[in-house]
Amino acid sequence: SQELEQSPQSLIVQEGKNLTINCTSSKTLYGLYWYKQKYGEGLIFLMMLQKGGEEKSHEKITAKLDEKKQQSSLHITASQPSHAGIYLCGAVLTQGGSEKLVFGKGTKLTVNP
Amino acid sequence: EPEVTQTPSHQVTQMGQEVILRCVPISNHLYFYWYRQILGQKVEFLVSFYNNEISEKSEIFDDQFSVERPDGSNFTLKIRSTKLEDSAMYFCASKTTGAYNSPLHFGNGTRLTVT
Repeated sequence: SQELEQSPQSLIVQEGKNLTINCTSSKTLYGLYWYKQKYGEGLIFLMMLQKGGEEKSHEKITAKLDEKKQQSSLHITASQPSHAGIYLCGAVLTQGGSEKLVFGKGTKLTVNP
Repeated sequence: EPEVTQTPSHQVTQMGQEVILRCVPISNHLYFYWYRQILGQKVEFLVSFYNNEISEKSEIFDDQFSVERPDGSNFTLKIRSTKLEDSAMYFCASKTTGAYNSPLHFGNGTRLTVT
């Protein structure tokens, strides 16, 4: 089974609509990162969450880490074509020492004008 | 805003050849990483590097792979004898500290094609 499950795998929305992407782990999330990737390009850092219940916002994107620290959601308000891309969650799943990020498979977002 | 830069953006090589992928991390960062993404698959951790030595590596990072920080700015990934299955996008990343709350910044990647 996957360590990090993202849902949905893909999402097509009309411009102006709100949407939510989820990232679920069977293990405790010690650090949870959200990135955006355009096809064939690098990963753009969006936000990092560490504490249970934490919520961060940047422009129209809000990310939350639930109290149990096993799920995070990314919410986009009033989506625009510029939001289109692949959203990846990456997480530190081991406390103390391991620095590596484990990634989900990504959610491909299409925003139709 | 400072960024991680990688060269070349695309590298084509024949099976069995050696390749060196180059990265210039953000200047005040101390922790360096290589990840890869095979087309259509997840981004996977390869290796982390701190204080001039490898701090962690994955099962993928076998004896064919090596990393080096030859000077104060460059960080390289060498694949000694490339295989077809090494074809992937390779991402360099860096961050200021090893703490969980230190954001990891990625470069734009090098697309390696092994023929």
